[in-house]
Amino acid sequence: LAKTTQPISMDSYEGQEVNITCSHNNIATNDYITWYQQFPSQGPRFIIQGYKTKVTNEVASLFIPADRKSSTLSLPRVSLSDTAVYYCLVGDLSRGGKLIFGQGTELSVKP
Amino acid sequence: EAGVAQSPRYKIIEKRQSVAFWCNPISGHATLYWYQQILGQGPKLLIQFQNNGVVDDSQLPKDRFSAERLKGVDSTLKIQPAKLEDSAVYLCASSLVGQGAYEQYFGPGTRLTVT
Repeated sequence: LAKTTQPISMDSYEGQEVNITCSHNNIATNDYITWYQQFPSQGPRFIIQGYKTKVTNEVASLFIPADRKSSTLSLPRVSLSDTAVYYCLVGDLSRGGKLIFGQGTELSVKP
Repeated sequence: EAGVAQSPRYKIIEKRQSVAFWCNPISGHATLYWYQQILGQGPKLLIQFQNNGVVDDSQLPKDRFSAERLKGVDSTLKIQPAKLEDSAVYLCASSLVGQGAYEQYFGPGTRLTVT
């Protein structure tokens, strides 16, 4: 299973763009890259998923270079409510696989 | 669509006692996962079911933890006897399998405190 490495913590201010980069050097051909968000006392929540290039939804963008050994989650104009832990995972659920969580990145957004 | 349901939400027990957690996944989701999340850490996968069969239980402490998913729907996770280090949040998640499966849906978790 591919292991992921991401910064333990990041600080930002309201209105700024936040980019969290994740390293996954041994990602498998069939693996997708998925990001989850977790607030205190809640279960993780899906944010975005991609396989290659760029994916954008109403919440975030995900940038994946051609070699797929890393990915960057971009949160545009963060607010205080974006303060949470963000997890980067790789895997293929469509084949009955599993997702292994690392320690995640604790994002703190300040006013 | 109803989400993943878990109960109880909180449980306090003394060490050496037993405890059981219940999970009802999203209807139609073949895959069910139990995770243990210790404060300050990411969720750790304990066991994965596909329908009523175990796919992966390599990280389940089998001397004290057990889990079952009868009829491929609801699941229970049991700890007997509990230790202090079992204090954690126990998360249940479910997902589809096959083409189009891309997301795990998590329940709110059960916070266990062992004293």
